[in-house]
Amino acid sequence: GEDVEQSLFLSVREGDSSVINCTYTDSSSTYLYWYKQEPGAGLQLLTYIFSNMDMKQDQRLTVLLNKKDKHLSLRIADTQTGDSAIYFCAEKKDSSYKLIFGSGTRLLVRP
Amino acid sequence: GAVVSQHPSWVICKSGTSVKIECRSLDFQATTMFWYRQFPKQSLMLMATSNEGSKATYEQGVEKDKFLINHASLTLSTLTVTSAHPEDSSFYICSARARTAGTSFYNEQFFGPGTRLTVL
Repeated sequence: GEDVEQSLFLSVREGDSSVINCTYTDSSSTYLYWYKQEPGAGLQLLTYIFSNMDMKQDQRLTVLLNKKDKHLSLRIADTQTGDSAIYFCAEKKDSSYKLIFGSGTRLLVRP
Repeated sequence: GAVVSQHPSWVICKSGTSVKIECRSLDFQATTMFWYRQFPKQSLMLMATSNEGSKATYEQGVEKDKFLINHASLTLSTLTVTSAHPEDSSFYICSARARTAGTSFYNEQFFGPGTRLTVL
C-alpha cells in the first residue's frame, strides 16, 4: 500500500518543542522526507532520512524513524513563530522516483 | 543552488480557454520533472512524471488530453490545461529531479513555488 498519514493540526507555544508524527505502510520505502510549506508557496525540503537510520539531527530538527512500527517523527526544538506552516512527510521507494505525500500537519506557533 | 521556478505564479482564465504553466530548473539539469496538484488544505497529488525527450507518464485518473505535458529540454517542462473548467482551479506545483551525479543534488527533487489557477 501507499498510505502516509499525519495528524492534521498541532499548536504549540513559542519556545516549546514541536513533535509532528507520520505513519506509513510500505516497508519497502528507502527514503523518508520532511517538507515545509508556507501559505501560497511551494515545498521546501527540511530534511530526509535513509531507512537504515534511526535518527538524524540537523540544528533544531531531529528526525526519528521506527522502521518496525513504520513511524516517523519530526521534532523542532525551540519552536519559533516563523515555523508556523504545513509540514508534509513523504516516502520514496528506491525503485521509483515518485514521492508519496502525507496529508500534512498544520503547525501553529502561538506567541 | 537547486532553484526551480514556475511561471506564472497566479493566473485567472475564462472557462473553455487553455492555460500554459512553465517549470524551469534554473541552475541544474533536470532529467525528470513532476507535476502535482494541490487542493485547498489537502496534500499534493502526483499528476504526471515528465522525462526529457519522451512522453509523460500520467497517474491513474489524470486525463492526458486535458493536461498536456511537454519536456523539451533538461531545464524546462510545461503543463497546459486545455479547455479549462472551474473544477480545474487548483494549486499546481512542479518539482525537478537533478541529473548531476557526484553532488548533494543527485536524485533529489526540488520544488517550484507553485502556480495558482483560477478558472471563472
